[in-house]
Amino acid sequence: EAQVTQNPRYLITVTGKKLTVTCSQNMNHEYMSWYRQDPGLGLRQIYYSMNVEVTDKGDVPEGYKVSRKEKRNFPLILESPSPNQTSLYFCASSGGWDRGLGEQFFGPGTRLTVL
Amino acid sequence: QKEVEQNSGPLSVPEGAIASLNCTYSDRVSQSFFWYRQYSGKSPELIMSIYSNGDKEDGRFTAQLNKASQYVSLLIRDSQPSDSATYLCAGGGFKTIFGAGTRLFVKA
Repeated sequence: EAQVTQNPRYLITVTGKKLTVTCSQNMNHEYMSWYRQDPGLGLRQIYYSMNVEVTDKGDVPEGYKVSRKEKRNFPLILESPSPNQTSLYFCASSGGWDRGLGEQFFGPGTRLTVL
Repeated sequence: QKEVEQNSGPLSVPEGAIASLNCTYSDRVSQSFFWYRQYSGKSPELIMSIYSNGDKEDGRFTAQLNKASQYVSLLIRDSQPSDSATYLCAGGGFKTIFGAGTRLFVKA
């Protein structure tokens, strides 16, 4: 089954404790992206990657890191999480290149709480 | 002005009616647009994409793009209770910008 998987689905942590949220897709997509979703603000893009070793900032990259060492994986790293990073996080991938980007397939989401 | 702006709603329509969802965008947003549907507690899923001026129809859904007015809309004909969800308008390419979403309620 074609899918985007994220782990963990739920995470409660404390301020300053480094964490990684994994994202993997099995559709051989070149493009992957991370979003956070907050009430009233919608989805905001954190980072995206157009291919292996090619990443770029979205609208809200501060406090986050990413890496793309393999095509299928795109982990999101919070080196020193803070309470304002409490949010619902989505990973997405796309293989469509018409006009720059096609349909994005979203993972199930990771709900992160930073105390 | 937000780069992609939507009325947050909620928009309430009776079953069988046409639901009209609207979105405006700024100059910074490139010319590819998408409508995603998100059920409560679920991830977004694509409903429609539109790249050119005019209308694009797919089943009960019609997307409309007016580049001169920087306006994108989604019409849902014969609305069903199962259409009740939040609809997200998105624009851009590699850098994607989403609106905050419009909540739609379809009353049986």
